[in-house]
Amino acid sequence: QSVLTQPPSVSGAPGQRVTISCTGSSSNIGAGYDVHWYQQLPGTAPKLLIYGNNNRPSGVPDRFSGSKSGSSASLAITGLQAEDEADYYCQSYDSSLSGYVFGTGTKVTVL
Amino acid sequence: EVQLVQSGAEVKKPGESLRISCKGSGYSFTSYWINWVRQMPGKGLEWMGNIDPSDSYTIYSPSFQGHVTISADKSISTAYLQWSSLKASDTAMYYCARRGGSLNNWFDPWGQGTLVTVSS
Repeated sequence: QSVLTQPPSVSGAPGQRVTISCTGSSSNIGAGYDVHWYQQLPGTAPKLLIYGNNNRPSGVPDRFSGSKSGSSASLAITGLQAEDEADYYCQSYDSSLSGYVFGTGTKVTVL
Repeated sequence: EVQLVQSGAEVKKPGESLRISCKGSGYSFTSYWINWVRQMPGKGLEWMGNIDPSDSYTIYSPSFQGHVTISADKSISTAYLQWSSLKASDTAMYYCARRGGSLNNWFDPWGQGTLVTVSS
């Protein structure tokens, strides 16, 4: 069961900016737990994209950025490229479940 | 290079048992928790549970408690996910992923995934 809600899909033309929301509650994001983002290219394992709300691992382009406010978080992709077509998931810790939760996932399509 | 390498794809019949593995290399295996994540066909990611390889302390998601067993053998830097009686609904891709020492930490890296198909 996903307790973090994301839009099923977002799309944009090459070069445009898109954002993906991740809405949680007072037991996860709203409780102060960090949000992390993963990119899953077709047929591959998820890959860490953003950690600790707004940090990029080495090798991740600065076109990707994250933010968090209250019980929600967002992932922004600027200068959209064809290679960004993938599924994106947010993740956090939930104190009421005593475990980790993922977002419902968002498919990004480059028009 | 830090990496997790999982065992190969499996095809099983309902009622059969199965154990899949996840071998860590390039880091101190006992310093990081190993998590297991399920992805059913065409669906999203679901956290199943995790294990601290240093003492095999295990935490399960309520959704998976009692249905699977997570274990580890630190002598060979390997974590396991096992079923005693598979069901068709267990058909999915299963990933292992490393997590840092803090509860707040992220999952990185991930294994390549093990596809489990359960069919009569």
